[in-house]
Amino acid sequence: AQSVTQPDIHITVSEGASLELRCNYSYGATPYLFWYVQSPGQGLQLLLKYFSGDTLVQGIKGFEAEFKRSQSSFNLRKPSVHWSDAAEYFCAVGAPGGYNKLIFGAGTRLAVHP
Amino acid sequence: NAGVTQTPKFQVLKTGQSMTLQCAQDMNHEYMSWYRQDPGMGLRLIHYSVGAGITDQGEVPNGYNVSRSTTEDFPLRLLSAAPSQTSVYFCASSVTGEAGNTIYFGEGSWLTVV
Repeated sequence: AQSVTQPDIHITVSEGASLELRCNYSYGATPYLFWYVQSPGQGLQLLLKYFSGDTLVQGIKGFEAEFKRSQSSFNLRKPSVHWSDAAEYFCAVGAPGGYNKLIFGAGTRLAVHP
Repeated sequence: NAGVTQTPKFQVLKTGQSMTLQCAQDMNHEYMSWYRQDPGMGLRLIHYSVGAGITDQGEVPNGYNVSRSTTEDFPLRLLSAAPSQTSVYFCASSVTGEAGNTIYFGEGSWLTVV
């Protein structure tokens, strides 16, 4: 069965610092991988997704993620965090060839100090 | 651009009451789904629909009912509300039910069952 683990429940960084949010997945083959962001009181917005090809994926708002098959990981990074990046971030996997059903991680809440 | 619209945004129910969460999308998407979000658990799929007249169960369907009489609407019915159904509910849609299509989320409906 598919599963997603986000090991960090809360992360606090200073504005301007770099950021890495961890995501590990369990799936028999290479899944579709996604990162979503949720601002307080809002729905989820897609940051980026990986299907195949180049393992470094660029997304919106200056985010990128790297797929590492050997580590079953899809970590999200940003070189310089802005205060507006404070939100909750969700990693999700989907099964290629199946229906568009996502399995989500529990989320990582990011706080940004000025 | 309305996208995915959910109503109501907030609702308090008494145990045993029934209610319907409304979801409408104006993007002519074939695929619609309902997720619930609970603290520390990410989002979990309740029901989904790959087109008008077709629905199926997700990961946590018990206590919920859905129908899809039109492409635009996908209401979620709570048959007899229980405190365990206190959650934030998200409706989502994508162009088709094929895995990998970008999923667009509504802004959520906060439900409290007392």
